[in-house]
Amino acid sequence: EPEVTQTPSHQVTQMGQEVILRCVPISNHLYFYWYRQILGQKVEFLVSFYNNEISEKSEIFDDQFSVERPDGSNFTLKIRSTKLEDSAMYFCASSRTGGNTGELFFGEGSRLTVL
Amino acid sequence: AQSVTQPDIHITVSEGASLELRCNYSYGATPYLFWYVQSPGQGLQLLLKYFSGDTLVQGIKGFEAEFKRSQSSFNLRKPSVHWSDAAEYFCAVIKAAGNKLTFGGGTRVLVKP
Repeated sequence: EPEVTQTPSHQVTQMGQEVILRCVPISNHLYFYWYRQILGQKVEFLVSFYNNEISEKSEIFDDQFSVERPDGSNFTLKIRSTKLEDSAMYFCASSRTGGNTGELFFGEGSRLTVL
Repeated sequence: AQSVTQPDIHITVSEGASLELRCNYSYGATPYLFWYVQSPGQGLQLLLKYFSGDTLVQGIKGFEAEFKRSQSSFNLRKPSVHWSDAAEYFCAVIKAAGNKLTFGGGTRVLVKP
């Protein structure tokens, strides 16, 4: 069964460093998302991406964050200068149609620890 | 703004017993409603969803959920739990014209032998 894959599964970084989290969505999906879950808190929406541009983003998704689909298969989340509060599990998801009609398929997550 | 509340943070249930997980939402119109499950070390997997029509929806792994508009609820049920049902369960909503899932805080289910 096709699945969303994420790398790395766990990354430890120093505050102020740049981090790139990578995702390979399901191949025929058109909509891509990043969510995050800070330990002990709710899963929160970060950004949705469709047709090579951001379609919606949350207030969390500030200028420190960016997303890219560089090569038609990968979907990346970049955090330019990490802060302690960026420590969280980051989930990538994809869907064939928009989220309000289709199922979002989630990856297993990338745990980011900022020291 | 839409919100989702899962009142129970933890539930412990004996294997073979029934399970009900509560979910209440706050939204101006009827949203689209979902239940996801997260097993340890796994991603979020969709159990079932409600968009319209029959208010009792069937999902995978023997789960069902009932939408009650009058109570703004979408509770998840399973008649007989298995040890493999130990996981965290998330209720989520999405508005009709949007792409953003809003999640509840999750309910962690422990299954006793």
